[in-house]
Amino acid sequence: KQEVTQIPAALSVPEGENLVLNCSFTDSAIYNLQWFRQDPGKGLTSLLLIQSSQREQTSGRLNASLDKSSGRSTLYIAASQPGDSATYLCAVTAGNQGGKLIFGQGTELSVKP
Amino acid sequence: AAGVIQSPRHLIKEKRETATLKCYPIPRHDTVYWYQQGPGQDPQFLISFYEKMQSDKGSIPDRFSAQQFSDYHSELNMSSLELGDSALYFCASSFGQGYNYGYTFGSGTRLTVV
Repeated sequence: KQEVTQIPAALSVPEGENLVLNCSFTDSAIYNLQWFRQDPGKGLTSLLLIQSSQREQTSGRLNASLDKSSGRSTLYIAASQPGDSATYLCAVTAGNQGGKLIFGQGTELSVKP
Repeated sequence: AAGVIQSPRHLIKEKRETATLKCYPIPRHDTVYWYQQGPGQDPQFLISFYEKMQSDKGSIPDRFSAQQFSDYHSELNMSSLELGDSALYFCASSFGQGYNYGYTFGSGTRLTVV
């Protein structure tokens, strides 16, 4: 059974720092991995989608990497801003579980001005 | 660009009542997924539909049922509501079960059972 773990559970950094969020999954048979952002009580906004054949994806200050063989992904946020404060969730589309997303429990990020 | 539309945004029901949540996927998306997110929890998969047929079932109580209609919109019906059903309910849509293009989520329906 696929399990997704995110470390750390919470992170507080001063504005301007570069930071890395970690995601690991137990079964490497995935179709893709997606990073989402969630503001308190709000919906999920897709940030980056990495197909299983890809190593990384970039969007603005965000860069996500994927190492399928080791079951790991990282989300790199450059020059963090207070507006980046949110919960970041990673999720995998498992190859043998009907295409549904399996989520980690998220990293709650706080960027202090 | 069109997004996934969920209605209502907020819903307050009493215990033992019935609720219906609606989801309108992005045009031409053929797959719909329902997730439940309790306070401080990650989203938990409930049920999915592909081309109007149920494709997968997760931790969905027997009191809940869902379907996908001919126009691809989906409805989640929840009966005999319990306090523990209070949560954010998300719908996500994709083309081809999310294998190639990922998922787009709606803004969710916040259900409060009192």
